[in-house]
Amino acid sequence: DVKVTQSSRYLVKRTGEKVFLECVQDMDHENMFWYRQDPGLGLRLIYFSYDVKMKEKGDIPEGYSVSREKKERFSLILESASTNQTSMYLCASSNNLLGQLNYGYTFGSGTRLTVV
Amino acid sequence: QKEVEQDPGPLSVPEGAIVSLNCTYSNSAFQYFMWYRQYSRKGPELLMYTYSSGNKEDGRFTAQVDKSSKYISLFIRDSQPSDSATYLCAMSWGTGGFKTIFGAGTRLFVKA
Repeated sequence: DVKVTQSSRYLVKRTGEKVFLECVQDMDHENMFWYRQDPGLGLRLIYFSYDVKMKEKGDIPEGYSVSREKKERFSLILESASTNQTSMYLCASSNNLLGQLNYGYTFGSGTRLTVV
Repeated sequence: QKEVEQDPGPLSVPEGAIVSLNCTYSNSAFQYFMWYRQYSRKGPELLMYTYSSGNKEDGRFTAQVDKSSKYISLFIRDSQPSDSATYLCAMSWGTGGFKTIFGAGTRLFVKA
């Protein structure tokens, strides 16, 4: 069974802490994504990566950075956590093959982060 | 105006009902249309995927895309309590899903 695994289901961090969210996929997918999900706002793209050591900003990158040192691992970093970063964080992966019938994302189960 | 509009619900129906979930969008460049199902405390999972206009059926689920009206629908026949979840529409105009826009999701409750 293919999987995207997020290291933590729940996290509580203090304002100003540096926070690392880890994501690993076992499908050999080229593309990986970090989203945050908030009620009424849907999923908003923070960063994505289409190859090792490559990264692109999404729609809301401020306050975040990412790292992709290996194809299977994509990390999201909150440089200095703030209360407005309290959210559900979802990692996803996809491949690049044209005509792939199951085009779409595979998501992890999410990390619910609370910043106090 | 949001690029993708989706009624958040909640939508409550009795078991066996036909459910209709809808999204409207504003960007005519979208080519790929998807529906994801998200159970509580889980990540979304891909339910249906269609390219361009038309219908696609998979068991009890039917996805419709009307590009002329910028309107997509997901129909669930013979709904079951296990269908209770949040349904997210999503659409994209690129390969690899780099530019995928998600709706906010509709919460569905199917009562036994």
